[in-house]
Amino acid sequence: QVQLVQSGDEVTKAGASVKVSCKTSGYTFSNYGVTWVRQAPGQGLEWMGWISVFNGDTTYAQKFRDRVIMTSDTYTSTAYVELRSLRSDDTAVYYCARVSDTNGYYRPLIEDAFDIWGQGTRVTVSS
Amino acid sequence: QSVLTQPPSASGSPGQSVTISCSGSSSDIGGYDSVSWYQHHPGAAPRLVIYGVNKRPSGVPTRFSGSKSGNTASLTVSGLQADDEADYYCTSYAGNNDYVFGTGTKVTVL
Repeated sequence: QVQLVQSGDEVTKAGASVKVSCKTSGYTFSNYGVTWVRQAPGQGLEWMGWISVFNGDTTYAQKFRDRVIMTSDTYTSTAYVELRSLRSDDTAVYYCARVSDTNGYYRPLIEDAFDIWGQGTRVTVSS
Repeated sequence: QSVLTQPPSASGSPGQSVTISCSGSSSDIGGYDSVSWYQHHPGAAPRLVIYGVNKRPSGVPTRFSGSKSGNTASLTVSGLQADDEADYYCTSYAGNNDYVFGTGTKVTVL
């Protein structure tokens, strides 16, 4: 079955960087994109951006545009998000999810929605 | 990017219905038929319950339904059950490969 399995929880310091992975299985990796969403303690879900695995194009939410890098590795079917210059308010649970990708030729039944999610990775930033 | 506006809370007794609104603009909800809704239980991953405004993924009960009028989308949960108690978020495609989330609504089953 389709699965997205994320890397383990991270504890890091303000000013550092963190990189979270999302290993996928059960589907053709390049037929979909991967999006990243986070939830800070007591807050709602926040969209960070997404990557087209088909051609590597990225779209980042304006808030993260100068600090985030999303990548993908088609050999291991794994997506990554790296967030730099961490602040205490970056403390959150980070989720990856599968999303349709109009850059490629595949048209899934579910479009423009995040249909399968990873289990989440808790990132704690200490000052 | 702006955020879609949802009521902070909604509630209903078992068996009743609850409807959650999601207010946006002509740049997101009003401009595309790409509204989706997610159920989020604390400590678990979010779950897609509605996509394309009113479509249900396989396995989602027919008790969940969605609609849209102008710049506002709605999710209705009928026949409320205890397990429906969760946070619910709307999302819309907003053009230029952007997406935007709603503020979230906590649904309580009384």
